[in-house]
Amino acid sequence: KAGVTQTPRYLIKTRGQQVTLSCSPISGHRSVSWYQQTPGQGLQFLFEYFSETQRNKGNFPGRFSGRQFSNSRSEMNVSTLELGDSALYLCASSLEGQGEVAFFGQGTRLTVV
Amino acid sequence: AQKVTQAQTEISVVEKEDVTLDCVYETRDTTYYLFWYKQPPSGELVFLIRRNSFDEQNEISGRYSWNFQKSTSSFNFTITASQVVDSAVYFCALSEAGSGGYNKLIFGAGTRLAVHP
Repeated sequence: KAGVTQTPRYLIKTRGQQVTLSCSPISGHRSVSWYQQTPGQGLQFLFEYFSETQRNKGNFPGRFSGRQFSNSRSEMNVSTLELGDSALYLCASSLEGQGEVAFFGQGTRLTVV
Repeated sequence: AQKVTQAQTEISVVEKEDVTLDCVYETRDTTYYLFWYKQPPSGELVFLIRRNSFDEQNEISGRYSWNFQKSTSSFNFTITASQVVDSAVYFCALSEAGSGGYNKLIFGAGTRLAVHP
């Protein structure tokens, strides 16, 4: 069974640009969550999607958005990039998002210059 | 408020030593889940264990063991006879209904473990 796949693995963007990251969950998993990892703030929850609906959202500005497709694949978008958005973005999938184990992808490392 | 504290930022041991990673959590919920994840240099978070709040039984899996004590709100992780391959950052995490649903993991700051030959 394939694991969680995130693309691309690495990205370099310029301040002010926007970026889209993609996540393919484990087959059969319907919940997809996104996390931002930085040296200063650690691992922080961005949002979670289930059946194409955002169920939960962390404390991030509106520049961070996401969506989920009918096949459970998810994308997150960051608009008007700032230097502080440089981070490892991790996606996790679980069956229903009700306390089951969340399996993580290898992440997308975004660098904003 | 929900919170996970991993007070040990970095631990350095020599191979074959036993090492315990501490995790203390705060929650108002009576039903919650606790997790440990390992993050090797590749970046992926690797699942190690999940515990629900009603199951205080300690668990052993090979060289790994976990001690869950609700009385002290702790969920500590011990590696017996550590190996170089255990070198990684280890995260303790909490999920609870009160955070908007069990779909959100609240992570501790992580403990970086370095095992030297």
